[in-house]
Amino acid sequence: EIVLTQSPGTLSLSPGERATLSCRASQSVSSSYLAWYQQKPGQAPRLLIYGASSRATGIPDRFSGSGSGTDFTLTISRLEPEDFAVYYCQQYGSSAWTFGQGTKVEIK
Amino acid sequence: QVQLVQSGAEVKKPGASVKVSCKASGYTFTSYGISWVRQAPGQGLEWMGWISAYNGNTNYAQKLQGRVTMTTDTSTSTAYMELRSLRSDDTAVYYCTRSIVGAMPHLDYWGQGTLVTVSS
Repeated sequence: EIVLTQSPGTLSLSPGERATLSCRASQSVSSSYLAWYQQKPGQAPRLLIYGASSRATGIPDRFSGSGSGTDFTLTISRLEPEDFAVYYCQQYGSSAWTFGQGTKVEIK
Repeated sequence: QVQLVQSGAEVKKPGASVKVSCKASGYTFTSYGISWVRQAPGQGLEWMGWISAYNGNTNYAQKLQGRVTMTTDTSTSTAYMELRSLRSDDTAVYYCTRSIVGAMPHLDYWGQGTLVTVSS
């Protein structure tokens, strides 16, 4: 089973700053099979990025995804107040999905 | 618009079973799969399994094999997840999600979640 490790565990930033979140896989993942989700307290997760770099419907272009192989990145170019949340990466392989443990982006 | 509406919160005793429903609307139910994902209090997301609404094929997470069953009723566009032999560590919010497999797999729509509490 592929294990996804996200870093850092918590990112403390101010609105307007750039956020860079990392997701590292224990073995190579097809970039087509890597997705990112955002979850706010008390809410269901929301799809942000799929196929490593394709934005989901309605997702602002300040969110971008990149990477390949074992290293993937979610970048939020300029943090808006509503972007402070927990972010999860996810991979699909062998007909199963696995999630990273999450990165919390908090207001500094 | 696509909606997944789940059944309400449940409180169960250890050893009991729970069945959560997920009613889909706004899309052709049989054209997608449904995955179930759970989240224990204060913890991350755990994928539980997937069912094809087209043909009923399933794939379950290894750790839940033998305790979980996922089904669909295409006549009502509803998916079900039953978990048996409940333990305290099954206490979690359970989400159904519309699943896209194929070229770029992802979970694009999520239900509102169902809290299942296992307590004696």
